[in-house]
Amino acid sequence: GENVEQHPSTLSVQEGDSAVIKCTYSDSASNYFPWYKQELGKGPQLIIDIRSNVGEKKDQRIAVTLNKTAKHFSLHITETQPEDSAVYFCAAVPGGSYIPTFGRGTSLIVHP
Amino acid sequence: DTAVSQTPKYLVTQMGNDKSIKCEQNLGHDTMYWYKQDSKKFLKIMFSYNNKELIINETVPNRFSPKSPDKAHLNLHINSLELGDSAVYFCASSQPRTSAAEQFFGPGTRLTVL
Repeated sequence: GENVEQHPSTLSVQEGDSAVIKCTYSDSASNYFPWYKQELGKGPQLIIDIRSNVGEKKDQRIAVTLNKTAKHFSLHITETQPEDSAVYFCAAVPGGSYIPTFGRGTSLIVHP
Repeated sequence: DTAVSQTPKYLVTQMGNDKSIKCEQNLGHDTMYWYKQDSKKFLKIMFSYNNKELIINETVPNRFSPKSPDKAHLNLHINSLELGDSAVYFCASSQPRTSAAEQFFGPGTRLTVL
């Protein structure tokens, strides 16, 4: 089955800095890579996703990149704000499935 | 107009008891899930139901029994609760057409077994 590794487990930045979270996956058949944000006391919520036929996708201050050859994908947050503080999960979904395999999460702390 | 709702939000109980968690979605989705999130935030799928039929049961003890009375509801019943069952349980739903289907999560139920 799919295995997703996520790093770092904790990331602490100053407001205005950039934050990068990296994930690797094992199943070359995975073709959909969503990112979820979980705020304290809430369920995870999709913030951005990327499909395997695309190398990069941006949405305002967040962007995702995908390197299919290396089986790496990353989340980039620019100009971080305190409200970006949360746990972020990457996931990979193999083609033919709709069940994501989640990484172990990154706790992002943005200091004002 | 909550999309995925769960009750209760908190559940504190003694070892050996039986408890249930209810989940409802008003998104019209065909597929519902239960996830367990441990103290280290690891999200692990437990069950997946599609149109009231069990699709996935991921090596979960048979003390856990999901029940789907209709496609908008997926309840989780747990028998003989153990200390290791303490976690946050999330219900989710999606409308999968391809692998690229967003999962909509409920707010979670924090289960504490004493």
